[in-house]
Amino acid sequence: GAVVSQHPSRVICKSGTSVKIECRSLDFQATTMFWYRQFPKKSLMLMATSNEGSKATYEQGVEKDKFLINHASLTLSTLTVTSAHPEDSSFYICSARTGRDNSPLHFGNGTRLTVT
Amino acid sequence: EDQVTQSPEALRLQEGESSSLNCSYTVSGLRGLFWYRQDPGKGPEFLFTLYSAGEEKEKERLKATLTKKESFLHITAPKPEDSATYLCAVRNLMDSSYKLIFGSGTRLLVRP
Repeated sequence: GAVVSQHPSRVICKSGTSVKIECRSLDFQATTMFWYRQFPKKSLMLMATSNEGSKATYEQGVEKDKFLINHASLTLSTLTVTSAHPEDSSFYICSARTGRDNSPLHFGNGTRLTVT
Repeated sequence: EDQVTQSPEALRLQEGESSSLNCSYTVSGLRGLFWYRQDPGKGPEFLFTLYSAGEEKEKERLKATLTKKESFLHITAPKPEDSATYLCAVRNLMDSSYKLIFGSGTRLLVRP
């Protein structure tokens, strides 16, 4: 149980274009999903918390206009990287939890974004 | 400021050679400490949650323990398939947003 699916697993795009990443909870409803970014050999950095039906909460230093988050249903959150630049190249991972107070986060398999 | 430090950064073991990974944490109050395993190019996979000092949890060759300042992940007689990065994360007692603070991980390589 508690499967999180993320798509695509890899994407290459040109500078200036936008890329959308989808995160789905397959067997549970997730009122809250989380988007992380991970650099090679580094820790996971929380970018934003996505709440179903309301605006996302962004961490300090994360540009909300560049990283657009939409959580339109209890099973789907999307992250759109707008006007991508090479420095946006990274590994993006979403996660979700089932809602019980201290239930663990379950992660998707990540999206490797390369901006050329 | 809440902080998590993992050591060593990397660890090489022979198959069958038991060892321990360390996760030291600083948090004003601990709501939970989490261990995850991450394979290259994949998202983290949940292993354990520990809530209070003295607690232990086991799964196959892995055992996680917790004190007031650190947690250990003991690996007994590891196999090559245990090779992965192991991540530790904490959640602050006052946190209502479920924000986890992650360490940088320990990269484990088990050679046959």
